[in-house]
Amino acid sequence: EPEVTQTPSHQVTQMGQEVILRCVPISNHLYFYWYRQILGQKVEFLVSFYNNEISEKSEIFDDQFSVERPDGSNFTLKIRSTKLEDSAMYFCASSPGQDYGYTFGSGTRLTVV
Amino acid sequence: RKEVEQDPGPFNVPEGATVAFNCTYSNSASQSFFWYRQDCRKEPKLLMSVYSSGNEDGRFTAQLNRASQYISLLIRDSKLSDSATYLCALSGGAAGNKLTFGGGTRVLVKP
Repeated sequence: EPEVTQTPSHQVTQMGQEVILRCVPISNHLYFYWYRQILGQKVEFLVSFYNNEISEKSEIFDDQFSVERPDGSNFTLKIRSTKLEDSAMYFCASSPGQDYGYTFGSGTRLTVV
Repeated sequence: RKEVEQDPGPFNVPEGATVAFNCTYSNSASQSFFWYRQDCRKEPKLLMSVYSSGNEDGRFTAQLNRASQYISLLIRDSKLSDSATYLCALSGGAAGNKLTFGGGTRVLVKP
């Protein structure tokens, strides 16, 4: 079964540092997403990406965040100047179309210390 | 009213029993509905889509009630392995095309 792959599985970073979370979506999917889940809270939408540009973003996704699809396979989330409250599980997801369910990667647990 | 609301539970279910729970939503223009399963500290996994006419997948039955703006999930003959958090998700309407998740309903199946 096709998978969404995320690396690293766990990242510890110092407050103020920049991190890049990496994702390889399913190859024939067209829509890509980042979500985050703070421990004990709900899965929150960050951003969606289609046709090489951001299609939607949430209020959480401010100037601190950016996404890129640098080549035909990778989809990255960059978080600049990390804060303690950025500690969360970050999930990448992809889907073949707008009305389809998403396939999620296994997540990157980000811990900001 | 929250955009997507679920009873957090936990629902304590004897093995072999039936359990059902709902998810209410506020945006009447929502178009696509899904149930996901999430195990502790793992990613959400798509359980099933929810269709207007209702649909069944093995022991799982999902229904949509547009008039009252809720979806439901029923699990028959519960197994220990059904213990998880069940997330509803929807998209469409003013919320855009992204999936918006509820906070999840925790189900604990006990022997």
